[in-house]
Amino acid sequence: KQEVTQIPAALSVPEGENLVLNCSFTDSAIYNLQWFRQDPGKGLTSLLLIQSSQREQTSGRLNASLDKSSGRSTLYIAASQPGDSATYLCAVKEWNTGFQKLVFGTGTRLLVSP
Amino acid sequence: DARVTQTPRHKVTEMGQEVTMRCQPILGHNTVFWYRQTMMQGLELLAYFRNRAPLDDSGMPKDRFSAEMPDATLATLKIQPSEPRDSAVYFCASGLVPSVTYEQYFGPGTRLTVT
Repeated sequence: KQEVTQIPAALSVPEGENLVLNCSFTDSAIYNLQWFRQDPGKGLTSLLLIQSSQREQTSGRLNASLDKSSGRSTLYIAASQPGDSATYLCAVKEWNTGFQKLVFGTGTRLLVSP
Repeated sequence: DARVTQTPRHKVTEMGQEVTMRCQPILGHNTVFWYRQTMMQGLELLAYFRNRAPLDDSGMPKDRFSAEMPDATLATLKIQPSEPRDSAVYFCASGLVPSVTYEQYFGPGTRLTVT
């Protein structure tokens, strides 16, 4: 059974710092990996999606990498801002009895202080 | 601006009452997912529909939960009778299969509190 773990569970940094969020998964047979952002009381916003054949994806100040063989992904946030404060979730997509299933990590709660 | 909509956004009910949550997937999407999010368990898949047919509901407590798609624009999740342990945020997501990424687009969620 696929298990997705995110470390750290919570992170507090001052504005301007570069930071790395970690995600690990136990079964490397994944279709892709996705990073989401969730603001308090809100739904999930997709940030980056990395196909299993890719090594990384970039969007603005965000860079996500994928090492499928070791079961790891990182989300790098450059020059963090208070507006980046949110919970970040990673999810792996796998085939499960013929359909695509997302398995989520428990998230990293990020607080960026001014 | 295509997005998944869910109603109600918040629901407070007493134990034993029936709860119905509704989801309108993005027009043209043929897959619908129901997830539940709790502090203890995180996000868990409850049910999955493709072309309105349920393909997997193994994550759903069968005795009290039921999920349906009366038509392509409406998915429902019912709990009868509700219990305090059902308190959670319920998310609906939709997507298109097949596609390159099989990406799922999430709605804002229904926050359910059962007292």
